[in-house]
Amino acid sequence: NAGVTQTPKFQVLKTGQSMTLQCAQDMNHNSMYWYRQDPGMGLRLIYYSASEGTTDKGEVPNGYNVSRLNKREFSLRLESAAPSQTSVYFCASNSRGGFREAFFGQGTRLTVV
Amino acid sequence: DAKTTQPPSMDCAEGRAANLPCNHSTISGNEYVYWYRQIHSQGPQYIIHGLKNNETNEMASLIITEDRKSSTLILPHATLRDTAVYYCIVSPTVGSEKLVFGKGTKLTVNP
Repeated sequence: NAGVTQTPKFQVLKTGQSMTLQCAQDMNHNSMYWYRQDPGMGLRLIYYSASEGTTDKGEVPNGYNVSRLNKREFSLRLESAAPSQTSVYFCASNSRGGFREAFFGQGTRLTVV
Repeated sequence: DAKTTQPPSMDCAEGRAANLPCNHSTISGNEYVYWYRQIHSQGPQYIIHGLKNNETNEMASLIITEDRKSSTLILPHATLRDTAVYYCIVSPTVGSEKLVFGKGTKLTVNP
């Protein structure tokens, strides 16, 4: 049981390049989330998906797109990376309703130069 | 969703109890109080949650005031490994699907 798996763990991009961060969970959770965390800051919600086929904006969605490919996978895409998107990105999942313990991946450390 | 207020930092001596406060004065009747922690640069980890009764598990205790406007997370015997950022979150169990984190409290456990 791997929990929440994020790939890649590290990435360096040049300004203007695009990339997709991958996230997969094996806990049959309905809800999945993408957060970013800048140095010395708390987590800020980028996008979330309450269930397969649905996505909603969080606090800081600009510059990102997401896809809930199926129940297991939730990807985050940067179409044209900017230095301001340098951050650590965390994916999380939890079951919808009832007990809402969220499980987090280990993060993707992205640097845009 | 209700907002929370936490002190930015706290210190605690190893072996002593760490009491981390959280203010959530605008909490709604259907919102739970959740606590997570983030050790170094790892992904956050769930600690405990509660609605209105005090809760205890193997990691910590959660004390919620009778009016539910504030709560305290208690680590009964803090160790160096408890040094982390602790986040207090309020969220309903149904309806809103967002888990919104604030800046948390940086707890430093000193030897």
